Amino acid sequence: AQSVTQLDSQVPVFEEAPVELRCNYSSSVSVYLFWYVQYPNQGLQLLLKYLSGSTLVKGINGFEAEFNKSQTSFHLRKPSVHISDTAEYFCAVKSNTGGFKTIFGAGTRLFVKA
Amino acid sequence: DVKVTQSSRYLVKRTGEKVFLECVQDMDHENMFWYRQDPGLGLRLIYFSYDVKMKEKGDIPEGYSVSREKKERFSLILESASTNQTSMYLCASSPVEPEAFFGQGTRLTVV
Repeated sequence: AQSVTQLDSQVPVFEEAPVELRCNYSSSVSVYLFWYVQYPNQGLQLLLKYLSGSTLVKGINGFEAEFNKSQTSFHLRKPSVHISDTAEYFCAVKSNTGGFKTIFGAGTRLFVKA
Repeated sequence: DVKVTQSSRYLVKRTGEKVFLECVQDMDHENMFWYRQDPGLGLRLIYFSYDVKMKEKGDIPEGYSVSREKKERFSLILESASTNQTSMYLCASSPVEPEAFFGQGTRLTVV
């Protein structure tokens, strides 16, 4: 069975400051990893994904994430946030050995203050 | 661009009503999913379908059913709506690759 833990339910940060949203997962098989973003009153949009290869993954809007297999983590980072980054962020995991289910974390609400 | 369209953004229904939530995707994806989203719980899978007329239960199927008569359309049915089904419902589709494409969501309130 797989599970995803997002370690912070809310992260307040000032504009232009760096931010890290933490995600840990557990799985008995190899996985694909994702970060999705949800802006207010909208559906989810893919930010970035790790399928294989380089452990540093770059996504849209200046975000990046690093896959750390030994620590089973996939933390999301941005060096300088904008007000427009205020949203909810979801980490997700899916087995890469078949199957259809994606497991989502509970979400982290990022609030960027002026 | 992939487009996943949910028929309603907001719905208010009465307890005991039969409710239909419709989802259409325009990219010929094999897989379609229905999730519900509740604060602090993330997304929980209700049902998914990997082909026309095929369906599988997700983690919380009780009180729900689904229909997939055509590849592009996946409907979620609440047979007898209850107040504990008040939630945000998200439809998603995916091709063979593992990422999912989401609709805008339907916020359902059952009174």
